[in-house]
Amino acid sequence: EAGVAQSPRYKIIEKRQSVAFWCNPISGHATLYWYQQILGQGPKLLIQFQNNGVVDDSQLPKDRFSAERLKGVDSTLKIQPAKLEDSAVYLCASSSRPASNEKLFFGSGTQLSVL
Amino acid sequence: AQSVTQLDSQVPVFEEAPVELRCNYSSSVSVYLFWYVQYPNQGLQLLLKYLSGSTLVKGINGFEAEFNKSQTSFHLRKPSVHISDTAEYFCAVSRVQGAQKLVFGQGTRLTINP
Repeated sequence: EAGVAQSPRYKIIEKRQSVAFWCNPISGHATLYWYQQILGQGPKLLIQFQNNGVVDDSQLPKDRFSAERLKGVDSTLKIQPAKLEDSAVYLCASSSRPASNEKLFFGSGTQLSVL
Repeated sequence: AQSVTQLDSQVPVFEEAPVELRCNYSSSVSVYLFWYVQYPNQGLQLLLKYLSGSTLVKGINGFEAEFNKSQTSFHLRKPSVHISDTAEYFCAVSRVQGAQKLVFGQGTRLTINP
């Protein structure tokens, strides 16, 4: 089966610019997650969707970050305007159910460098 | 809130030697425990998980982990490592009650030397 697809693989922007990342989860997976992984740290959950609704966005910096999953399938994460501290790998993951014992499937991530 | 501490940021070992990657967690409620592995230029993938029952859990690629509730630990072990085990390993926890919210440790980079 196809895995979680993410694009672009790399992105370099200057601070105050905007950027968008795209994710297509495994077919049939209703739950989708965006994680931020800063160098030397573990992934941190930014937002969780169940179908096209937001389940948890408590750690999403809403003044600059936004995410949507309009049709309950693929998702876009946007940063506007970007700051230097946003440099990180942005990981998308999906699971068939939102249960806390469920296995997550991760994409390869988008590496963002903000200069 | 839950937190995870991986006690070693880097672990170098020789090929065919045993290895243990240490993980301690903190939580006031019951949790599930996971180990994920990230090979170079790939996404994270699940190695093993502890949900309940036997405290010794076996995963893929010959890895196993032991849940110790009294010491709040979930250390990962392999009796004999291979070059292909070179990767970053992440320990994670999730509350038993409530929706999926994985909290990850900082990661341990395992380097296998020939």
